[in-house]
Amino acid sequence: SQTIHQWPATLVQPVGSPLSLECTVEGTSNPNLYWYRQAAGRGLQLLFYSVGIGQISSEVPQNLSASRPQDRQFILSSKKLLLSDSGFYLCAWRQQYRGTNEKLFFGSGTQLSVL
Amino acid sequence: GEDVEQSLFLSVREGDSSVINCTYTDSSSTYLYWYKQEPGAGLQLLTYIFSNMDMKQDQRLTVLLNKKDKHLSLRIADTQTGDSAIYFCAETFTGFQKLVFGTGTRLLVSP
Repeated sequence: SQTIHQWPATLVQPVGSPLSLECTVEGTSNPNLYWYRQAAGRGLQLLFYSVGIGQISSEVPQNLSASRPQDRQFILSSKKLLLSDSGFYLCAWRQQYRGTNEKLFFGSGTQLSVL
Repeated sequence: GEDVEQSLFLSVREGDSSVINCTYTDSSSTYLYWYKQEPGAGLQLLTYIFSNMDMKQDQRLTVLLNKKDKHLSLRIADTQTGDSAIYFCAETFTGFQKLVFGTGTRLLVSP
């Protein structure tokens, strides 16, 4: 069966410090991978998605970047965090689109507080 | 364009039915989903409906889709305190690689 791992669960970082959040998927190959951010009272915002190694699509301009160094690894990074980067970050995966309903599965999330 | 909206809050008493509503703007959506998020956790898929259907029932959950009005609803029968969570609707489109989520509705069930 497939599983998705996301860490750390909680992170407190000072403004201006770097960030690296990691997400890995097991039990599948060539998945689509996603980073979402959930800010308080603002719903779920898609930040990045990837359909393959080294392929990153950015949905919104921001202070963050994403990388996919391996097939089942997705990393969210920042060189210098801003206060506005605080939020709940969720990694997700789904099978490559094949013209059928491909469900999205989520990790347990990382609560990031930038102080 | 892609825009999915939901009301922010819903409060019901235990045992009553809950109806969570969602409106979307893009008529080319293929599948529509309902996800549940419990506090401090990721999202779990509850149910989904294909765009050529107008109703789907799954135990206590009933999904209604009105394509003409671009309106999706989730009815939870006999709502329990364990149903308290944030509920997100989402849509996807033919050939798209992503899901677009609504703003989420926080359901509070009181005893």
